[in-house]
Amino acid sequence: AQTVTQSQPEMSVQEAETVTLSCTYDTSENNYYLFWYKQPPSRQMILVIRQEAYKQQNATENRFSVNFQKAAKSFSLKISDSQLGDTAMYFCAFMSAYSGAGSYQLTFGKGTKLSVIP
Amino acid sequence: ETGVTQTPRHLVMGMTNKKSLKCEQHLGHNAMYWYKQSAKKPLELMFVYNFKEQTENNSVPSRFSPECPNSSHLFLHLHTLQPEDSALYLCASSQGFQETQYFGPGTRLLVL
Repeated sequence: AQTVTQSQPEMSVQEAETVTLSCTYDTSENNYYLFWYKQPPSRQMILVIRQEAYKQQNATENRFSVNFQKAAKSFSLKISDSQLGDTAMYFCAFMSAYSGAGSYQLTFGKGTKLSVIP
Repeated sequence: ETGVTQTPRHLVMGMTNKKSLKCEQHLGHNAMYWYKQSAKKPLELMFVYNFKEQTENNSVPSRFSPECPNSSHLFLHLHTLQPEDSALYLCASSQGFQETQYFGPGTRLLVL
């Protein structure tokens, strides 16, 4: 079974600074998808970024980028120019790319609570 | 309404009550999911439906009963719950398996 570990329960960053959230995962599979989701306080969980394991290029979405290290099974999220609206819980998640039972299952980490300080 | 909606947003119920949670997706997706989010624990997948057919029941107690009348609607019927069932219940949908899942705002459930 796959596991996802987020080793930083809480982090804080000054507004306009850069912060990196860590995520490691354990799998024996070669093809899979990785995700970062953001859940603001009392608000909807939304997708931040998605990475296909077969792609060597790191995914980016505006101020959000990932550092995907497949061999190390590491998938960190970098937030540049942090804004107050970035304050949220951030969840790293894994999904197998193989068809069959459980292929749709998202395995989540426990999350990192990020606070952006004015 | 756009995206994935859930009602009610908050629910308080006694252990002998029967209630239902509703989820509706406006994205034209074919797969729908129920998740449970408890404090200090990772999200737990409860049920999966694909084209209205249940494809997964992750060892969920029978006091939780899902219903999917069509690809746009998903219900979670609750009866004789326990206080430890208090949590945020999230609904999600995706175009198909291995596609990105989009989440609703959740129903915050408190069982007294």
